Amino acid sequence: KQEVTQIPAALSVPEGENLVLNCSFTDSAIYNLQWFRQDPGKGLTSLLLIQSSQREQTSGRLNASLDKSSGRSTLYIAASQPGDSATYLCAVRLDSGTYKYIFGTGTRLKVLA
Amino acid sequence: DAGVTQSPTHLIKTRGQQVTLRCSPKSGHDTVSWYQQALGQGPQFIFQYYEEEERQRGNFPDRFSGHQFPNYSSELNVNALLLGDSALYLCASSGTWGLPEYFGPGTRLLVL
Repeated sequence: KQEVTQIPAALSVPEGENLVLNCSFTDSAIYNLQWFRQDPGKGLTSLLLIQSSQREQTSGRLNASLDKSSGRSTLYIAASQPGDSATYLCAVRLDSGTYKYIFGTGTRLKVLA
Repeated sequence: DAGVTQSPTHLIKTRGQQVTLRCSPKSGHDTVSWYQQALGQGPQFIFQYYEEEERQRGNFPDRFSGHQFPNYSSELNVNALLLGDSALYLCASSGTWGLPEYFGPGTRLLVL
């Protein structure tokens, strides 16, 4: 059974710091992995999607890496800003015949001004 | 492009009642998935609809049912509500295989 874990559960950093959020999954046979952002009481916003054949994806100050063999993904946020404060969720899709995403419980990030 | 829209935004029901939640997918998307997110947890997959059929289902009881219409919009129905059904219900739509799913803002359901 695929399980997704995110560490740390919560993180508070001063503005301007570079930070890394971690996601681990127990079954390395994934189809893709997606990172989402969720503001309090709101829906999810897709940040980055990494296909199983890819090692990383970048969008602006965000960079996500994927290491299937070790069952790990990291989301790197450069030069953090107060507007980055949110919960960050990672989710994996197991294979092409499975349509659901399995989510971690998220990392709550607070960037202090 | 309005993106994924859901209605209503908030809903309060009592135990035993029935509820219907609605979702309109992003323009050009033909697949709709529903997720339940309890407070402090990650979303849990309920089911996915494609071509008006339930394509895959998560570990939810039969009290949870759905429907997809010819215009790709979808409904989630929950019967015999329990206190534990209180959650944020998220709808996601997708189109071409492998591209990101787009989530709606969710419906916050409170069961008293």
